Amino acid sequence: AQKVTQAQTEISVVEKEDVTLDCVYETRDTTYYLFWYKQPPSGELVFLIRRNSFDEQNEISGRYSWNFQKSTSSFNFTITASQVVDSAVYFCALSLRVYDNMLTFGGGTRLMVKP
Amino acid sequence: DAEITQSPRHKITETGRQVTLACHQTWNHNNMFWYRQDLGHGLRLIHYSYGVQDTNKGEVSDGYSVSRSNTEDLPLTLESAASSQTSVYFCASSESAGMNTEAFFGQGTRLTVV
Repeated sequence: AQKVTQAQTEISVVEKEDVTLDCVYETRDTTYYLFWYKQPPSGELVFLIRRNSFDEQNEISGRYSWNFQKSTSSFNFTITASQVVDSAVYFCALSLRVYDNMLTFGGGTRLMVKP
Repeated sequence: DAEITQSPRHKITETGRQVTLACHQTWNHNNMFWYRQDLGHGLRLIHYSYGVQDTNKGEVSDGYSVSRSNTEDLPLTLESAASSQTSVYFCASSESAGMNTEAFFGQGTRLTVV
């Protein structure tokens, strides 16, 4: 069975610091999809990124970047120059099926960015 | 705009009562899911459906049931609510095929069983 581990339960940083959220996954499948979601204090889940197992290119979107390394089964998320609005719970998730996006979630990392 | 909505947003119920949480999506997605969110566990899959009349058990299905009589709705029923079912519940939907798809989530329902 697949598993996603987010070892950092809470991280606290000061605004403008860079912060990396770790995600380690386990699966025996060779085809899989990795996701990051953000859950702000308002409670909704906001999709951030999807990456398939055949694409190990790192991705950058503004202050956000993702580092996918199959060799270590990790899909880490870095926020550069953090802002108070980045304060949220971040979830890493794994899907084995392209046809339904059924997700296995990690436990989440609560990020607190202090002014 | 297409959307997915859950109701109610908050619910307090007593132990032993039957409770139904509604989920309605207007994307015409075939796939629908129910997850529960608990501290330290992230979100865990309760039930899912691939289409009308199709329902399947997820990781934590005991004490829950779903039915799919149309494409738009997947209500989640707690047959006899227990305090262990106090949680935040999320409904999601997704397209049936395609690599460039994502699951869309409702706003969540906070259920308290007293």
